[in-house]
Amino acid sequence: NAGVTQTPKFQVLKTGQSMTLQCAQDMNHNSMYWYRQDPGMGLRLIYYSASEGTTDKGEVPNGYNVSRLNKREFSLRLESAAPSQTSVYFCASRGPQGWGTEAFFGQGTRLTVV
Amino acid sequence: DQQVKQNSPSLSVQEGRISILNCDYTNSMFDYFLWYKKYPAEGPTFLISISSIKDKNEDGRFTVFLNKSAKHLSLHIVPSQPGDSAVYFCAAQPGRYNFNKFYFGSGTKLNVKP
Repeated sequence: NAGVTQTPKFQVLKTGQSMTLQCAQDMNHNSMYWYRQDPGMGLRLIYYSASEGTTDKGEVPNGYNVSRLNKREFSLRLESAAPSQTSVYFCASRGPQGWGTEAFFGQGTRLTVV
Repeated sequence: DQQVKQNSPSLSVQEGRISILNCDYTNSMFDYFLWYKKYPAEGPTFLISISSIKDKNEDGRFTVFLNKSAKHLSLHIVPSQPGDSAVYFCAAQPGRYNFNKFYFGSGTKLNVKP
């Protein structure tokens, strides 16, 4: 099993460009998450999806949109990239019971906005 | 304002000795806590967890202690090995009925010297 797969692994964008980060999990998990990791800030939750068809904002949702395409896939879109969005992005999934279970993370996407 | 804090950005320990990583939280509603380990260029991987009904949980060389009155948890690694060198994140979940959100600390980089 691949677990949680993110694409791309690296990306450089110019300010104002748009892009979509893809995430897929093959563990039949209900919940999926997008986090960003910045130096000294740990992992901060951008958006999450408790189940197929639902999405909710996390701690830092501004500048991002998400789509829960189906149970396997959860994408993160930057409509107009800004240098402040330079970060490492992690997708995670969790389930099926939710409480008392750990989340599994992808390998990350390193995004640089110039 | 961070609800989960890891006040030591780094820790250096000799191989074979004990490593103690600390984490403090502010939200008394948190009732499930996890530790993740992260190697460079990889996603975080789950290490060990503890629920608020316990004050200790062991898994091999890893033990997590929870002091609810002090809102403090710690991870003990005994004996420490060079392969334990990584960034360690603690995370907390705010309640059984809001389990979809995890809050992470900023991480502690552990260096185990041979």
